[in-house]
Amino acid sequence: KNQVEQSPQSLIILEGKNCTLQCNYTVSPFSNLRWYKQDTGRGPVSLTIMTFSENTKSNGRYTATLDADTKQSSLHITASQLSDSASYICVVSASGDYKLSFGAGTTVTVRA
Amino acid sequence: GAVVSQHPSWVICKSGTSVKIECRSLDFQATTMFWYRQFPKQSLMLMATSNEGSKATYEQGVEKDKFLINHASLTLSTLTVTSAHPEDSSFYICSAMPGLAAYNEQFFGPGTRLTVL
Repeated sequence: KNQVEQSPQSLIILEGKNCTLQCNYTVSPFSNLRWYKQDTGRGPVSLTIMTFSENTKSNGRYTATLDADTKQSSLHITASQLSDSASYICVVSASGDYKLSFGAGTTVTVRA
Repeated sequence: GAVVSQHPSWVICKSGTSVKIECRSLDFQATTMFWYRQFPKQSLMLMATSNEGSKATYEQGVEKDKFLINHASLTLSTLTVTSAHPEDSSFYICSAMPGLAAYNEQFFGPGTRLTVL
């Protein structure tokens, strides 16, 4: 069964600090991995998308890494801002399958 | 580009009534649209997949007679919650997939908050 596990479930950080979110998956055969940001009461918005051959991708202060061998990914947030407070969801897609496997998300709270 | 809208953004209804939610792809044609449900502090759960002009495919445990899906055009899909009950209260999110999108990317709508009294 394709599974995506995220950790931690939630975290609180001070404004300006960095943090790293983790994602482990068992989806096979692997196609791509995406990180989404979901604000409360809103739909998910794509941050990064990586295929098998990509091991890092950045989008502003967000940097995602992928280790396809160990089936792990991380999302690093640099110099956090209050607007970064949201749920961050790791989503993995299998080759030949349009269905997505969602992680439960990590809730990030940035405090002044 | 790749904007998906939903209407309404929130709705409150009485138990037993039906509610229709619209999902539109604004700047692309979506051959496939998806409907998800999300309960508080949980991730998105796929309810059904719809292809333009054909019947929707429902996930296991989702009642097709209760959640009616219509994908009549390449830019519009509708979800009708029939005879809604309080347990149907949830956040409903649609996504749309262009026919030739890279990585089969799905673009998500902003969601519709349904509250059944």
